[in-house]
Amino acid sequence: TQLLEQSPQFLSIQEGENLTVYCNSSSVFSSLQWYRQEPGEGPVLLVTVVTGGEVKKLKRLTFQFGDARKDSSLHITAAQPGDTGLYLCAGVSLYNFNKFYFGSGTKLNVKP
Amino acid sequence: GAVVSQHPSRVICKSGTSVKIECRSLDFQATTMFWYRQFPKQSLMLMATSNEGSKATYEQGVEKDKFLINHASLTLSTLTVTSAHPEDSSFYICSAMGAYEQYFGPGTRLTVT
Repeated sequence: TQLLEQSPQFLSIQEGENLTVYCNSSSVFSSLQWYRQEPGEGPVLLVTVVTGGEVKKLKRLTFQFGDARKDSSLHITAAQPGDTGLYLCAGVSLYNFNKFYFGSGTKLNVKP
Repeated sequence: GAVVSQHPSRVICKSGTSVKIECRSLDFQATTMFWYRQFPKQSLMLMATSNEGSKATYEQGVEKDKFLINHASLTLSTLTVTSAHPEDSSFYICSAMGAYEQYFGPGTRLTVT
């Protein structure tokens, strides 16, 4: 079992639709990051959330950290084909800032 | 800022040979770097944590004698796959630790024939 459960695993939608990806855990994290990875490349950092209840926006992407710092969500508004990729969340341990727990990933495909 | 490079991006080698992959933090110093392996359509699998000036910490099931890690400076870590076999073929990704986040390299596609 993974410490950080990410859902859904796969998502195929039409351009213009909205979507939400979830990362859930029973553990508390000191911070949580979201990354996007395209095929054949390394993950690229999208955002870091640190404070419980924090909401961050990056153009059409909205990231939220749960009040208890155990879960997070990524909402994309009006998805575009350029949003296609593997989205990964990573929670950082409370006790070791070098210990990251990665979710299993969400493979998003946005069809034109 | 926070750029990590990896070299080579692709390598093909024969079974039994060794391959070295370099990971560099270009514009910041990283006391800690990580090495991951990624299988198709899957998330990242942590292989080891590399700390500058000390021995790497390997995850359970990763052979330290096969995957040699050296973190000789604050900007360079290397992964050497020794006596490579076809089952070692994979996408290897390094990352460097920033203030709170990891910054990833572009990855190295290793193919062992």
